[in-house]
Amino acid sequence: DTEVTQTPKHLVMGMTNKKSLKCEQHMGHRAMYWYKQKAKKPPELMFVYSYEKLSINESVPSRFSPECPNSSLLNLHLHALQPEDSALYLCASSRVLKNIQYFGAGTRLSVL
Amino acid sequence: ILNVEQSPQSLHVQEGDSTNFTCSFPSSNFYALHWYRWETAKSPEALFVMTLNGDEKKKGRISATLNTKEGYSYLYIKGSQPEDSATYLCAFGLGAGGTSYGKLTFGQGTILTVHP
Repeated sequence: DTEVTQTPKHLVMGMTNKKSLKCEQHMGHRAMYWYKQKAKKPPELMFVYSYEKLSINESVPSRFSPECPNSSLLNLHLHALQPEDSALYLCASSRVLKNIQYFGAGTRLSVL
Repeated sequence: ILNVEQSPQSLHVQEGDSTNFTCSFPSSNFYALHWYRWETAKSPEALFVMTLNGDEKKKGRISATLNTKEGYSYLYIKGSQPEDSATYLCAFGLGAGGTSYGKLTFGQGTILTVHP
């Protein structure tokens, strides 16, 4: 099983809403990643977790709050987002840092 | 800011043609070069991870080479098929430790369309 599952697939939220994105893998991977991808641009790294600890935060605004409650699950909590945060949010995992990454299909987020 | 460039941006070929794309990246602090294939509405799929200068990898009709001294990698597709149509992304893994450990920087991608 090389699957990374992201839910929901699509999300529309207002600027005052609070929502969460979820990412799950059962490959025993100990590194998990959040990326943001805008149209016609490459994926940009947001956060990296290694062994459930935050390893990299690429200066992401605090309205994005990651959480890694266990080795299989990664959440991204969203609060008071702006329309420019509308994008595809991709989750990935790897056995450990720097190994090959397996991606989910992403959550398409629209902020109104 | 790391510069990872891919060329061409897009490519249209006929079924059966062979094609290749280029990824250029910094030649210092290199750890790994990844290639991914991303079909519309699907997850990016890892093709290759290369770490050594001179590495050559092959998967079916797709192969890749790596030159870390001059900072480039080539991806080749032999006898393109319509199902090869996708965006091909390369990603550079920085070798230095510290806060960037584990980070991949992606290129803009090459969009390949194979016409029947």
